[in-house]
Amino acid sequence: GEDVEQSLFLSVREGDSSVINCTYTDSSSTYLYWYKQEPGAGLQLLTYIFSNMDMKQDQRLTVLLNKKDKHLSLRIADTQTGDSAIYFCAERGRSSASKIIFGSGTRLSIRP
Amino acid sequence: EPEVTQTPSHQVTQMGQEVILRCVPISNHLYFYWYRQILGQKVEFLVSFYNNEISEKSEIFDDQFSVERPDGSNFTLKIRSTKLEDSAMYFCASSEQDPYEQYFGPGTRLTVT
Repeated sequence: GEDVEQSLFLSVREGDSSVINCTYTDSSSTYLYWYKQEPGAGLQLLTYIFSNMDMKQDQRLTVLLNKKDKHLSLRIADTQTGDSAIYFCAERGRSSASKIIFGSGTRLSIRP
Repeated sequence: EPEVTQTPSHQVTQMGQEVILRCVPISNHLYFYWYRQILGQKVEFLVSFYNNEISEKSEIFDDQFSVERPDGSNFTLKIRSTKLEDSAMYFCASSEQDPYEQYFGPGTRLTVT
């Protein structure tokens, strides 16, 4: 079945780059997403990538997709304290018109 | 910037009671969704709704659950007879013509006692 996995925690120093990794099982995934959840808030769509792309860059965010290994990563350049949050990887498969499958989320904490 | 809103932010109910969770999607959006997240578990899809009918639902979305768009702005999730295991954070989401970008609300925390 469809599954998305990511590590639970990541700690980086302020100003460094953060790289959050994710693996998924559905080879027919058409869209892959990164959502951010700050404490007490909802899920904020950060970015998404089509399965026919390898990379997408949006300001400090870079998404890399390796379809062969079913691996997705989110790189945050120059990480700031405001980037502290839980980051969810998610995918939408070809079999579903609307369902998004989420990973468990990676809690990113920033060290001074 | 337009956003999805949900009320209440926290609902406490007794087992067996009916609850209605309310959502106001972004105004020009046509697709609506409910997801839930049980504490410590992943966010799970419940149902999607388009053109006044359910377009997809998960195995979680059994006869105890129903959705409705009672007017032009609200989208509701009703749980007919709540169980302890329905305790979770419920997220509403909406998207425009294109269902690829789903925008989520802040969630309603449902506690069943």
